[in-house]
Amino acid sequence: DSGVTQTPKHLITATGQRVTLRCSPRSGDLSVYWYQQSLDQGLQFLIQYYNGEERAKGNILERFSAQQFPDLHSELNLSSLELGDSALYFCASSPRDRGVDTQYFGPGTRLTVL
Amino acid sequence: GQQLNQSPQSMFIQEGEDVSMNCTSSSIFNTWLWYKQDPGEGPVLLIALYKAGELTSNGRLTAQFGITRKDSFLNISASIPSDVGIYFCAGQNPHFGNEKLTFGTGTRLTIIP
Repeated sequence: DSGVTQTPKHLITATGQRVTLRCSPRSGDLSVYWYQQSLDQGLQFLIQYYNGEERAKGNILERFSAQQFPDLHSELNLSSLELGDSALYFCASSPRDRGVDTQYFGPGTRLTVL
Repeated sequence: GQQLNQSPQSMFIQEGEDVSMNCTSSSIFNTWLWYKQDPGEGPVLLIALYKAGELTSNGRLTAQFGITRKDSFLNISASIPSDVGIYFCAGQNPHFGNEKLTFGTGTRLTIIP
């Protein structure tokens, strides 16, 4: 158990819909990272938050957004969903925003868009 | 998006055999990490490497950070059934402007009865 929790574990929805994925980092960790894992793209970095502020952006679509709340949990919002958005979404946490801290991953949310 | 080149893509071995996999990149990294992922689960950190040339062990696992900082390898000795899964390397370089991990394409390990 990494100490990172994610809900829900599975999510099935239809194209055009909007969903919210939730992540709680390990106790004491201030940074949260979101990754997307699809069959044909592997694990891809989406976005990082540190102590409530956006720190870095990766391959995140404009239809996707995220935020980190004062209690440090984070939410990833996916809107106008398309079939290609079906994937595993992982969050990871680490103590700081910079440096070489390792990232610990949550169990993931499997999103299926029908 | 960028990915590291990881090889082999898959391995079929017998229990007790040693395993070796590697990861290469065109970019320099300051940190190399090795993760294992079981089906439907998140990646679990196995070994972290922080310095070029570093050789680190974790039980039956040994990993090395290449001298050029562009590669890393992972060895598993005397494989057992619970070693089955997908192994990912990941590189991190804060000088790229953020702390994101760039992942390898994965090596799927299967143990043949």
